[in-house]
Amino acid sequence: QSALTQPRSVSGSPGQSLTISCAGTNSDVGGYNYVSWYQQHPGKAPKLIIFDVRERPPGVPDRFSGSKSGNTASLTISGLQSEDEADYYCSSYAGTYTYVFGGGTTVTVL
Amino acid sequence: QVQLVESGGGLVKPGGSLRLSCAASGFSFSDYYMRWIRQAPGKGLEWIADISSSGNNIYYADSVKGRFTISRDNKKKSLYLQMNSLRVDDSALYYCAREGITPYLDHWGQGTLVTVSS
Repeated sequence: QSALTQPRSVSGSPGQSLTISCAGTNSDVGGYNYVSWYQQHPGKAPKLIIFDVRERPPGVPDRFSGSKSGNTASLTISGLQSEDEADYYCSSYAGTYTYVFGGGTTVTVL
Repeated sequence: QVQLVESGGGLVKPGGSLRLSCAASGFSFSDYYMRWIRQAPGKGLEWIADISSSGNNIYYADSVKGRFTISRDNKKKSLYLQMNSLRVDDSALYYCAREGITPYLDHWGQGTLVTVSS
């Protein structure tokens, strides 16, 4: 149950696009289309923003998108806004009813 | 609307026990798998335990297996986490969360803080 690998921090200016990677193995990210992404503002609970690699829950802006290639999943935020400044975590099913999270990425809007 | 409210956190000495509860409302609790996740101060998220809708199927992370027990009472719409043999590194904010149709977590509580210290 090793954690997925995410960059510690990424930054961008308002209106720009940025991408957060989430590297796993063929036992988790690469083996299943069950990658989800969560946004967490300081002092708040995580909020689901992407599930099943690329699906958005109702109410999540379409500037958030997800994808996967091999053992690496990605979250892209297009048209970056100040309220997007938060921590982002990826998660994947890892087989036999186990789950793994990434270490988290802090997004800073410059 | 869906609401999850955790309780039961507090300060406990190493080796001690604590029981966390999660009260659910706004949805048919007995239809959903539920999960406990924790977050140490300033750290990332860690999956702890998972329980099926009926409570018949239970799964644990290696870090808590043999020490923690997840359970549920569908009549009371409540999820529980019995934590025994607590260690300093179990100190964290503990969240309960609802699983969706596939293994994502679509609703989270606000968490309850557990501090293990002598």
